[in-house]
Amino acid sequence: GESVGLHLPTLSVQEGDNSIINCAYSNSASDYFIWYKQESGKGPQFIIDIRSNMDKRQGQRVTVLLNKTVKHLSLQIAATQPGDSAVYFCAEKRSNYGQNFVFGPGTRLSVLP
Amino acid sequence: KAGVTQTPRYLIKTRGQQVTLSCSPISGHRSVSWYQQTPGQGLQFLFEYFSETQRNKGNFPGRFSGRQFSNSRSEMNVSTLELGDSALYLCASSSGTSGGANEQFFGPGTRLTVL
Repeated sequence: GESVGLHLPTLSVQEGDNSIINCAYSNSASDYFIWYKQESGKGPQFIIDIRSNMDKRQGQRVTVLLNKTVKHLSLQIAATQPGDSAVYFCAEKRSNYGQNFVFGPGTRLSVLP
Repeated sequence: KAGVTQTPRYLIKTRGQQVTLSCSPISGHRSVSWYQQTPGQGLQFLFEYFSETQRNKGNFPGRFSGRQFSNSRSEMNVSTLELGDSALYLCASSSGTSGGANEQFFGPGTRLTVL
């Protein structure tokens, strides 16, 4: 499978706890953001998105928070499960036209039993 | 609805050769984007095609090219392969409505190894 970055930041959490994964983006003009989950040997899987006119969006067990003032994005996972272990990427849409996303370096989430 | 498919899944080439990778987007999606993923550089945008036209382009040399067919299937080509081209090449599809921000879904990738 794909080893996405041998020296990724790693977050270790106990099963059942909440996880918070952070991401700093660079372009204040970015207007759309996506969080992806990537498991070994697979392509990134869409988790949740948020547009720049919102500061919070909730999905099933996940919440994304957007702070445009400091260009910060976070992904909160409630009641973390072993199946949540993966690398998580944030992506910001740079282009005013079409799909041109810039990805963060990723964070490896490790769920401890 | 079937997801994004990429072929082949694995490929081994030698320096100097060229390679063509294929991507079939989700049915009804008109935008196909290509990314290169390496441990050192992470996920980097190559280019995006929409309605058979290149709509966006990343900062890769001209050895990397692509095209899209009328059925939205896309191919990317890398000529004169270098060792540094070894990577996972990912294709992503979205509805790509003009100017809009759309959910983007990835395929499983093609693992290219250049020897």
